[in-house]
Amino acid sequence: KAGVTQTPRYLIKTRGQQVTLSCSPISGHRSVSWYQQTPGQGLQFLFEYFSETQRNKGNFPGRFSGRQFSNSRSEMNVSTLELGDSALYLCASSLTAGALRETQYFGPGTRLLVL
Amino acid sequence: KNQVEQSPQSLIILEGKNCTLQCNYTVSPFSNLRWYKQDTGRGPVSLTIMTFSENTKSNGRYTATLDADTKQSSLHITASQLSDSASYICVVTLNFGNEKLTFGTGTRLTIIP
Repeated sequence: KAGVTQTPRYLIKTRGQQVTLSCSPISGHRSVSWYQQTPGQGLQFLFEYFSETQRNKGNFPGRFSGRQFSNSRSEMNVSTLELGDSALYLCASSLTAGALRETQYFGPGTRLLVL
Repeated sequence: KNQVEQSPQSLIILEGKNCTLQCNYTVSPFSNLRWYKQDTGRGPVSLTIMTFSENTKSNGRYTATLDADTKQSSLHITASQLSDSASYICVVTLNFGNEKLTFGTGTRLTIIP
């Protein structure tokens, strides 16, 4: 069974631009969560989607948004990029709606560099 | 002050030796506690998940313990291997009705031959 895939793997943008990252969960998994990882802050939770609905949200500004499609694939969008948005963005999938209570499987991440 | 503190920040041990990583948390109400292993440049891999009613869980050479009274967890690695070199992250899930994850800053473990 294929794992979680994320595209693109690497991305370079400039301040003020916007970016869209994509995540395909493991086949059959219906929940997708997004995380930001930086050397200074470590891992931080962005949001979780299940059945096309956002179920949980972390403490990030509204510039960070996401959505989930009917096939469970998810996208994350960051608008008006700032230098501090440079990070590894990780996507994780799990089987059901209890993503924060069950095993999550992470993708390899998208490394975003904002110049 | 971080609500999930991990110690030590980094650790170097010889291959074949055992080690124990610590996670102390102050947050509540508590839903579950997880340990993840993250190799450099890769996404985290789940090692264990424990609810507040569990006090030990094993996954091969990895054994996690949890003391909900003292709000402490440990991850014990037995007979370390070079492939154990990674960052180990402790994550606490809170339950306020909706759930919230709080991450530790991780312990960087290096196994030397």
